[in-house]
Amino acid sequence: SQQGEEDPQALSIQEGENATMNCSYKTSINNLQWYRQNSGRGLVHLILIRSNEREKHSGRLRVTLDTSKKSSSLLITASRAADTASYFCATANTGNQFYFGTGTSLTVIP
Amino acid sequence: GAVVSQHPSWVICKSGTSVKIECRSLDFQATTMFWYRQFPKQSLMLMATSNEGSKATYEQGVEKDKFLINHASLTLSTLTVTSAHPEDSSFYICSARRDRADQPQHFGDGTRLSIL
Repeated sequence: SQQGEEDPQALSIQEGENATMNCSYKTSINNLQWYRQNSGRGLVHLILIRSNEREKHSGRLRVTLDTSKKSSSLLITASRAADTASYFCATANTGNQFYFGTGTSLTVIP
Repeated sequence: GAVVSQHPSWVICKSGTSVKIECRSLDFQATTMFWYRQFPKQSLMLMATSNEGSKATYEQGVEKDKFLINHASLTLSTLTVTSAHPEDSSFYICSARRDRADQPQHFGDGTRLSIL
């Protein structure tokens, strides 16, 4: 399987704390994307980082990419209860294929 | 923003029925659309990639005769689950992407399919 892996599988934090999720993948990539999914809904695109980029920011989100280790991390700062959701990384390879990681379930406790 | 509409959102039907799910990109032209299947508390599994005007590319283990995909226009792709059985019950999600591989995918809200 070309599916990536994320850790932790589940994360529970207090509101205001930072949340960090990690993603590891197996093949060479064109870009890596992070998505959020609320229960029973579709996915919302959060951020895209290209293979030649190392770090990207968007609001309270910070994404890093280490292609030598085939890994990425998503940091959510100053978390809010509304951030409670599942977060997935997805890799797009040069063959136009797209694979999701196993996901991290984040619970932010008010 | 890019909006993708998926319809229907929930289907309950008897075993043996064929079910069609539509995926539309409302405000952009989608050269490529993707169909995923998701089991409870699991990640999305790519079923197939479809490019407008050509045959879909199915992932290993996905029966192309069971899951018929048609991408007849730049704004519409359909997935037909033929002769559905209870094991086909799942959450099906489509996504659409503009014409470059470095563009993000935009997802529909998914279709919950329940086969009795």
